[in-house]
Amino acid sequence: GAGVSQSPSNKVTEKGKDVELRCDPISGHTALYWYRQSLGQGLEFLIYFQGNSAPDKSGLPSDRFSAERTGGSVSTLTIQRTQQEDSAVYLCASSSLRAGGYTFGSGTRLTVV
Amino acid sequence: SQQGEEDPQALSIQEGENATMNCSYKTSINNLQWYRQNSGRGLVHLILIRSNEREKHSGRLRVTLDTSKKSSSLLITASRAADTASYFCATEGTGANSKLTFGKGITLSVRP
Repeated sequence: GAGVSQSPSNKVTEKGKDVELRCDPISGHTALYWYRQSLGQGLEFLIYFQGNSAPDKSGLPSDRFSAERTGGSVSTLTIQRTQQEDSAVYLCASSSLRAGGYTFGSGTRLTVV
Repeated sequence: SQQGEEDPQALSIQEGENATMNCSYKTSINNLQWYRQNSGRGLVHLILIRSNEREKHSGRLRVTLDTSKKSSSLLITASRAADTASYFCATEGTGANSKLTFGKGITLSVRP
C-alpha cells in the first residue's frame, strides 16, 4: 500500500489477556519503529528495527512486551498479561535510508479493562 | 528518555499571525525533524534539517538549527485554522544513540 498500515485500529481487552498489534510498513522501508503515546503525552520509544541488524529493544517497558519483524517487512508487537497501564495508542513508523523522515501509521488504540 | 524539549507547551494565536515553536536537545544529533499530529493519532512528517544545515524552508514552514546551542525553531507563517494541531520535534542521534526520540509536543491553536 501507499502508507503504513496498523491493525487493529482499536482493541479493547481484559486485564491479563495477551494482545498482538500489527504493522505493515511501506514496501522497501528498512527502518521500523514502535512508539507508545498516552493521552496528551509525547511519544515513548519502544523498539527500533533497521534492516538485518539486531533490534534496539531498549525502550520496551517490561518483559511482557516483545516485538518481531518477519522477512524485514511486517512487524508484530505482543503484550502479554496486559495491565491497565498498558492502555495507550501504539504507533508504528517506517522509513528508508534515503527518505527525509518517517511515515507513521494511524495507530492502534489499546484499552485494557 | 525524551531528548527534545519543546517550548512553549501551548500556543494560541489569531489566524494570519506567525507561530514560533522552539525545541532544545541534549546530545549530538544527525538530524532534527518536526512532525504534526491531529486528533492524537498518526504523525505527519513536516521537515528534516541535518546537523550541517542552519536553515530550511518548506512552503509556509521555516526551520532553523543552532547546534552550538542545541536548539531549533519552527516558524509557521500566515497561520490558518487548519494549522491547529500538536507539533513535535524529534532528534536522530549519532552512534549508539541513533534512534529517533521525540519531545512532549506543543499544542497550537489558531483562532479563526
